[in-house]
Parts: sequence; C-alpha cells; structure tokens
Amino acid sequence: NAGVTQTPKFQVLKTGQSMTLQCAQDMNHNSMYWYRQDPGMGLRLIYYSASEGTTDKGEVPNGYNVSRLNKREFSLRLESAAPSQTSVYFCASSEIGQGAKNIQYFGAGTRLSVL
Amino acid sequence: GQSLEQPSEVTAVEGAIVQINCTYQTSGFYGLSWYQQHDGGAPTFLSYNALDGLEETGRFSSFLSRSDSYGYLLLQELQMKDSASYFCAVLSGGYQKVTFGTGTKLQVIP
Repeated sequence: NAGVTQTPKFQVLKTGQSMTLQCAQDMNHNSMYWYRQDPGMGLRLIYYSASEGTTDKGEVPNGYNVSRLNKREFSLRLESAAPSQTSVYFCASSEIGQGAKNIQYFGAGTRLSVL
Repeated sequence: GQSLEQPSEVTAVEGAIVQINCTYQTSGFYGLSWYQQHDGGAPTFLSYNALDGLEETGRFSSFLSRSDSYGYLLLQELQMKDSASYFCAVLSGGYQKVTFGTGTKLQVIP
C-alpha cells in the first residue's frame, strides 16, 4: 500500500521546455489535487479533480494543465516552463463529502528547477 | 476568497506547551484542519475541527471557535522531533477546496 506516488522526485528544466509530473494513488480516493509550495508561501492549489472526469482551477492555474487519466492517476503538465515555476510540487488525494473531513494524503513531492 | 493568518515562527523549550494560532476569513466554511511538515518532507494530517470546541489526539489538541473565525493547535510535552512547520487549512467549497495558511515554523530547543 504505497499511498500517493509522485514521479519524478527531482527535475531540472530549461526555460521553454515542457514536462509532465505524474501522480498515482492506491487508496481509491475520488478527489486529487496538485499544489505548489514556495518558501514562505505555504501550499497553493494549482488544480484539483473532485472526481474522475472532472477538473477545476485552483488559486494559481496559469501555465499548467492537468489530466485526470482515471480514478488512480492525475498528471500535471507544464507546456513551456518558466523560472517562476521553480518550486516543490505536491500531489494529494482525499475523500470529500459531509463527514469525510477531506484529509489530504500527500505524495513525497517533486522538486523542480527551471533555469 | 479565503485567507488565513498564522505566526511565521515560534520557539519553545523541550517539555513545554506551545499554542499556534490561526485566524481565517472564508465563505462556506466546513472545518479547520492542521498539518505537520518536517523540512524536506510532505505535509501530514494532524487534526480536524468542524464544530466549536477542543479535539484531543495524544499530545496534540486543536480548538475551533466558528463565531470568532479562530482556531489553535496545542502541542504538549514538546519533543525535539516536534520541530517542524505547522499549517492550518480551511475546508470550504462543497467540501472540495482546502486552502492552506502560510505555516508556522516551530523550533523546539533543549
């Protein structure tokens, strides 16, 4: 039972390159999330998927796209990376709904540097 | 939109008690959560309050006052391993959206 698995763990990109961050969960959760974390900024929501087949923008969606491939997998794509996207990216999954508390289970993170 | 405020840093002595406060502004509030994050690690869930009052989980307790839009995390019998960042987070938007505060870095000193 691995929980939430993110790949890769580290990545260095040049400005303008593209890449996809992968995330998979094995807890049968309906909801999945992508956050970025910058020093002193806490966790900011990029996109989320409340259930398979749906995605919604969060607080900082510009420059990103997402795909909810199936119930297990939720990927984040940077089409043209910029230095401002240097950050630590976390994927999370949860159950939502009344009484469910929406406890977020996080992956280990992807440390991305854009030069 | 949502906004949360918590102190940026707190220092406390091993064995002591420390309280980390969180005030929030949000629409459609459902609950307040707390997460712990060690340097280089991922956030992990600690506690959740949907109703006013105190929730206790071992050495950790969390309090919520919905009328004051205020909550706190209380850590007792502090240990060196409690040195970490602590985030409050509000649940809103039909239980779907979790908005995190900027975090409080707790340093436990001998």
